[in-house]
Amino acid sequence: KNEVEQSPQNLTAQEGEFITINCSYSVGISALHWLQQHPGGGIVSLFMLSSGKKKHGRLIATINIQEKHSSLHITASHPRDSAVYICAGLNTGNQFYFGTGTSLTVIP
Amino acid sequence: EAQVTQNPRYLITVTGKKLTVTCSQNMNHEYMSWYRQDPGLGLRQIYYSMNVEVTDKGDVPEGYKVSRKEKRNFPLILESPSPNQTSLYFCASSSMMGYEQYFGPGTRLTVT
Repeated sequence: KNEVEQSPQNLTAQEGEFITINCSYSVGISALHWLQQHPGGGIVSLFMLSSGKKKHGRLIATINIQEKHSSLHITASHPRDSAVYICAGLNTGNQFYFGTGTSLTVIP
Repeated sequence: EAQVTQNPRYLITVTGKKLTVTCSQNMNHEYMSWYRQDPGLGLRQIYYSMNVEVTDKGDVPEGYKVSRKEKRNFPLILESPSPNQTSLYFCASSSMMGYEQYFGPGTRLTVT
């Protein structure tokens, strides 16, 4: 069993829809990282958070450490948001454990 | 421009031929890490370094070596590559452990 689970694995949305990607983890973590991987393979960091909520543009990330759950929301989705979104937990042993990613396609 | 560079970007080699993938960052970051990405398995951490001369194993360190002699460089060494090390490799850095990471462009390695 993977220490970090993401859902859904695949997601198709119409442009403008509100999108939620979920990440749950079974190990104790000190922080959680949300990443975006473009179709060409490059990886960009979106958020690193250890509590509460962070917002950047149309992206919002929340985490509930006690419930071992984090969500990434995209408001007013756009075709350029099409990518794979990956969450990663930083455990107390300073190691990162990754989910297998959510592949998002936003249709115009 | 702040960046993490990796070389080579693509490499095809044969079993047992030692190779080094270089990683360099120009942001004076303390933390650097290597990951491999495989279909169905996602990203997995190989080794990481908290600072110069400080390295530690990640989730899948077998078959790999690293060194951190200078703050900016963190090479990944495969002493005797095997076909199961065929993968896409990423180097990343952050100012400190627990901060957002900057990723390199990736190195696609094929071992035949």
